[in-house]
Amino acid sequence: AQTVTQSQPEMSVQEAETVTLSCTYDTSENNYYLFWYKQPPSRQMILVIRQEAYKQQNATENRFSVNFQKAAKSFSLKISDSQLGDTAMYFCAFMKAGANSKLTFGKGITLSVRP
Amino acid sequence: ETGVTQSPTHLIKTRGQQVTLRCSSQSGHNTVSWYQQALGQGPQFIFQYYREEENGRGNFPPRFSGLQFPNYSSELNVNALELDDSALYLCASSLFRGPEFDEQFFGPGTRLTVL
Repeated sequence: AQTVTQSQPEMSVQEAETVTLSCTYDTSENNYYLFWYKQPPSRQMILVIRQEAYKQQNATENRFSVNFQKAAKSFSLKISDSQLGDTAMYFCAFMKAGANSKLTFGKGITLSVRP
Repeated sequence: ETGVTQSPTHLIKTRGQQVTLRCSSQSGHNTVSWYQQALGQGPQFIFQYYREEENGRGNFPPRFSGLQFPNYSSELNVNALELDDSALYLCASSLFRGPEFDEQFFGPGTRLTVL
């Protein structure tokens, strides 16, 4: 079974600054995906970024980038130039590659961006 | 393109009652997954439906059951409600195309309160 751990319950960052959210996971699988999801106060979960485990290059989506360390089973999210709209819960999630694409989520971290 | 919708938005029930939650998948999607998100926790996988058949189940008792209809919409039924069933129930739809990655798109959720 897979587990995803997010040990920081809350973080706060000043607008325009950079923040890093941490995530570790445990799995015996070799083929999998990792994700960061954002859940704003309106509740709809949105995919922020994904990483395929077979890719060595870290994924980047505009202001969002990840630091994927496969051997250490670590997957952190860096948000650059933080904006007020980034205020939300952020969840790290794991999915085994293949059929039956079940997501395993961490407990989440509440990120507040201060004006 | 219509996104994932869920109804109702909020629901209050008492212990022992039964509840049905509904989900309309995104246009073109053939798979629906249900997740339970307790307060302050990450979502937990309940089950997934593909082509009207259950295609994987998480660690939830049989009183959690579901249906998928020919138009790929879905229902989650919970019998004999318990206080611990109080949670946000999320539906996610995706297009299963085989071994490739299929992104899950989430609905806004149904907030269930059991008194």
